[in-house]
Formats: sequence, C-alpha cells, structure tokens
Amino acid sequence: QSVLTQPPSASGTPGQRVTISCFGSSSNIGSNTVNWYQQLPGTAPKLLIYRNNQRPSGVPDRFSGSKSGTSVSLAISEIQSEDEADYYCAVWDDSLNGWLFGGGTKLTVL
Amino acid sequence: DVQLVESGGGLVQPGGSLRLSCAASEFTFTNYWMSWVRQAPGKGLEWVANIKQDGSEKYYVDSVRGRVTISRDNAKNSVYLQMNSLRPEDTAVYYCTRSAYATPPDCWGQGTLVTVSS
Repeated sequence: QSVLTQPPSASGTPGQRVTISCFGSSSNIGSNTVNWYQQLPGTAPKLLIYRNNQRPSGVPDRFSGSKSGTSVSLAISEIQSEDEADYYCAVWDDSLNGWLFGGGTKLTVL
Repeated sequence: DVQLVESGGGLVQPGGSLRLSCAASEFTFTNYWMSWVRQAPGKGLEWVANIKQDGSEKYYVDSVRGRVTISRDNAKNSVYLQMNSLRPEDTAVYYCTRSAYATPPDCWGQGTLVTVSS
C-alpha cells in the first residue's frame, strides 16, 4: 500500500483529455515538489514531469502537471494510442532520504 | 548517449545472496547520486537505496535495511547492490538510476530481474 494514492486505472478515447490524480499528505506532497513518470509496456520508467509542472526536453506539451495542497494532477490532452502506459507520481521524502512512489495508474486508450 | 547497464540478476533461493552491478557511461559519474529502484512483477515502483557521489552517505528503505548494501566504485563508474538474506518478496526487476540530491532520477537502466524462489 503506497503512501501516495493514485487511481489504478484511467481511460479515454483518442483526442480526449485525461487527468490522473495523486493524493498525499502534508509530510510528502505538501512539503515537496512532485514528479511524474511514464512507463511504457516492457520498458523502464521515463521522467515526464518534474518540479510539479516542468517538462524535460523532448516531452510533448500535451503533458502538463499541477499541484494543489497535498494533491497533484497529470493532464494529458489529445491522448493518442502511444500514450497507453503506466503513470507514477513520485515525491522526495526528507525523513527517508529517498523516493516515495504512487501505486501507479494504467492509462488505456480506447 | 547517457547509459546505465545493470547486470547480476538471476534465480536465487530464499536466504541466498546476490550482487547487482550497474555500469554508467557517457556522463560524469561523480556528479550524481545513484539509486536502485525495484518493481515486483505486475506491481509499482519502490525506491530501495541511494548513495552520495563520494559514497559517504547511504540510505535504505526499511524493508531492506540490514540485508542490503549499496556501494560505488567511482574509478569504474559503477554502482552495486549487495543483497543478502533474500526473501521471496524481494523478487523484482531492479533498476539503476542517477539523480542529483532530492531531484528526480532522470536516467534509468533497462533493469535486471531478481527471482527469489526455491
């Protein structure tokens, strides 16, 4: 059971906008910036969003992140079949000196 | 291109030991913290351990502390994970990652599978 809570699944049809949420607490999301990873089937995770809303070079601007209090959201606009993947939120834990990951959300493009 | 290549995974009996290795290339290894993150079959990601650039600080998730040791050899651009007293619940793909302190891992290896079973 992860400390960061994500819905196990999300879905949408091509061209739709989909939002994936991640809920934490004041000791994790509430006090640190949050990152998102995309894991395509059979591959290693890829950094998608860092510091709540920043995109690494090469990540399309269809992907965006936001934070409000102790929750964060990943929005994917105009979803495509290639976006089918597992998405994980991640936050640094100061007491752990390590990373907390959400349980992951499997996005299905119908 | 920046590259991390893990090796050393395999099948081991409960109570056994295994040493994972990760070879880094195409970046300045000594500028980065290195971490291991694992993923049990069909499950999510779990951070396991990390180590500072000079090896002076190491941190572990509670479930492995006392059984697992992370180390690095900066002369060989490599990081290691020595795992002892392995349990079935340690079965996972183990990924090697790099990051600056408290910044998210931005490069991951392809992973190496560890299976603990009799």
